[in-house]
Amino acid sequence: ILNVEQSPQSLHVQEGDSTNFTCSFPSSNFYALHWYRWETAKSPEALFVMTLNGDEKKKGRISATLNTKEGYSYLYIKGSQPEDSATYLCAFDSGTYKYIFGTGTRLKVLA
Amino acid sequence: DGGITQSPKYLFRKEGQNVTLSCEQNLNHDAMYWYRQDPGQGLRLIYYSQIVNDFQKGDIAEGYSVSREKKESFPLTVTSAQKNPTAFYLCASSKGPRQGLYTGELFFGEGSRLTVL
Repeated sequence: ILNVEQSPQSLHVQEGDSTNFTCSFPSSNFYALHWYRWETAKSPEALFVMTLNGDEKKKGRISATLNTKEGYSYLYIKGSQPEDSATYLCAFDSGTYKYIFGTGTRLKVLA
Repeated sequence: DGGITQSPKYLFRKEGQNVTLSCEQNLNHDAMYWYRQDPGQGLRLIYYSQIVNDFQKGDIAEGYSVSREKKESFPLTVTSAQKNPTAFYLCASSKGPRQGLYTGELFFGEGSRLTVL
């Protein structure tokens, strides 16, 4: 069974701090790596879909990097704000319809 | 606004009863999915459908059934054969086959929480 692991499970940061999380995934049969943000009582929303080794994507204060050879991706948040509080999910995509999700990193930004 | 609508948000069921969760999308997406979330676990795939009138089992299909008679709709039935049905259920959709620059991004509903009494 393929496994996707995210760390840490949860973290609390102060407003203005920068933070990062890790997603580890299988290094074989890679097609894409997805990041989703899931705010409480809302639906998960896609942040990034990354396909190329060495890829870096950015959306505002959030960015992500991808290393497919070693099987990891980092998500960075610069200058965290309370509205960044959410669970961040990553999903391994082997090009089929059967994505494999990690358990998520729950972020709480304290004002 | 385009999106995915799941209903009901909360559902209570007695043991031995079947229950159907609704999922409707107006995104004109070909593919639809059902996931289950349990505490401490990632989203697990129950069933998916690539196209109308076709669906495939995911990793935890036992005790569930689906249909895909219309492009917009992908209802999930939790049968009495499902041993531990209390969970949070998420429906999702995607455009379909990877073509050109399309990356397979999923669009989700807000979920349905099922509790078995």
